[in-house]
Amino acid sequence: QKEVEQNSGPLSVPEGAIASLNCTYSDRGSQSFFWYRQYSGKSPELIMSIYSNGDKEDGRFTAQLNKASQYVSLLIRDSQPSDSATYLCAVKGGNTPLVFGKGTRLSVIA
Amino acid sequence: EAGVVQSPRYKIIEKKQPVAFWCNPISGHNTLYWYLQNLGQGPELLIRYENEEAVDDSQLPKDRFSAERLKGVDSTLKIQPAELGDSAVYLCASSPELAQFNEQFFGPGTRLTVL
Repeated sequence: QKEVEQNSGPLSVPEGAIASLNCTYSDRGSQSFFWYRQYSGKSPELIMSIYSNGDKEDGRFTAQLNKASQYVSLLIRDSQPSDSATYLCAVKGGNTPLVFGKGTRLSVIA
Repeated sequence: EAGVVQSPRYKIIEKKQPVAFWCNPISGHNTLYWYLQNLGQGPELLIRYENEEAVDDSQLPKDRFSAERLKGVDSTLKIQPAELGDSAVYLCASSPELAQFNEQFFGPGTRLTVL
């Protein structure tokens, strides 16, 4: 059973701080890694994808991947109240379905 | 570019009744997915289509759930008969045919309540 683990939170950070969201996965054959943002009552929205070890930056978002440790993270710099949402980590192997974690709820306090 | 379209957005039915959900993927996306999401959980795959072919339906409860994608574009997911435990959000997603790394884009979902 391929698993993706996330701390359910809530993770509370003050406005302007860095929010750090973490995810571990069990399948060593995983090749593709995604972060989705989901606002309450809405559907998941793809915000970051990463496929190789290291960091990938896009605006205020940085995804970090360490395949040896089976660990992927998302950093949100200069956090804003509008970033308050549930962040879903999703992992995919070569020929296997996308597996989602349960999500981490982030609350940015103004 | 229009996103994934789903209808209805909300559906309330009584148990044992049938229900159907419709999805139209992003234009040009040949791969279509149906997911189920329960409160506090991540989406769980029900079925994946490559064009008209269902290539992964291992998680679809086939005794009561069925799906079709007859012309390789839009798709319908049906539950008959619905049970109380089927109350959830049903999400449709699509990805480009040759998306090597399989980025998936979700529709707004259908929130089903079974009474």
